[in-house]
Amino acid sequence: EAEVAQSPRYKITEKSQAVAFWCDPISGHATLYWYRQILGQGPELLVQFQDESVVDDSQLPKDRFSAERLKGVDSTLKIQPAELGDSAMYLCASSLNGAGAPETQYFGPGTRLLVL
Amino acid sequence: GQQVMQIPQYQHVQEGEDFTTYCNSSTTLSNIQWYKQRPGGHPVFLIQLVKSGEVKKQKRLTFQFGEAKKNSSLHITATQTTDVGTYFCAGGMDSNYQLIWGAGTKLIIKP
Repeated sequence: EAEVAQSPRYKITEKSQAVAFWCDPISGHATLYWYRQILGQGPELLVQFQDESVVDDSQLPKDRFSAERLKGVDSTLKIQPAELGDSAMYLCASSLNGAGAPETQYFGPGTRLLVL
Repeated sequence: GQQVMQIPQYQHVQEGEDFTTYCNSSTTLSNIQWYKQRPGGHPVFLIQLVKSGEVKKQKRLTFQFGEAKKNSSLHITATQTTDVGTYFCAGGMDSNYQLIWGAGTKLIIKP
C-alpha cells in the first residue's frame, strides 16, 4: 500500500539552529500539506501545495519558516532559526487532487522536533 | 475565523462502555471527515460524510452529520482496547476546500 514518507522521524536541535524536514507524498497525489501538531491539539495547516504552487501559506510564520515543492513531487519544510516554541510534530499529508471538495488526506509518520 | 469545536477533550471509559465525541461548526460545512490517531502515531482517515442528516456505520462505529451540516458525532459501541486513541473531526469548507480540524477527543480505557 502506498504511503507518505517523511524524514527524519525525530530531530533534536538547539534554538537558533536551522532544521529541515522532507516529505515524499503518495505517487500521483497533486496536493501536499504541511501541518504542525502540538501535543494534545489538532493539526494546524502551515502550507498547502497544488503541484508546485503554494495554494495557502497564510498560517506559515514566514519570517522563519519556508517550504518548497520545486518539481511538484517531494517537498521540504525549513525552519531558520528554530525557537523553543517550534517543538512539535510536523506532519505531511497528501491528497489526490485538491481541486474541488475537500478530499481524504493521507498522513506520513511525522517528524517530531525538539528544540532545546 | 472559521472554527470546529470538538468535545469532550478526554473521555475515560471502562472497556465495554460506549464512547461519543461531538463536533460543532460555526458555519455550514461542505462535508466532514473523521480521523483516528493512535498514541505516537499519525492521523488515519476513517470516513467522510457529505449529505445533510447522513448516518454511516463501520462495525461498532456510527457517524452522523447534522441536518444543518454544522455538527457531527462519532459513537463507538462497546469500546475495546484497540479503540484507544484520539478522534479528530475535520470540517470541509466550500469557500476554500480546506479542512478545519477539531482539537480531538482522547479515548482512554480505564484499567
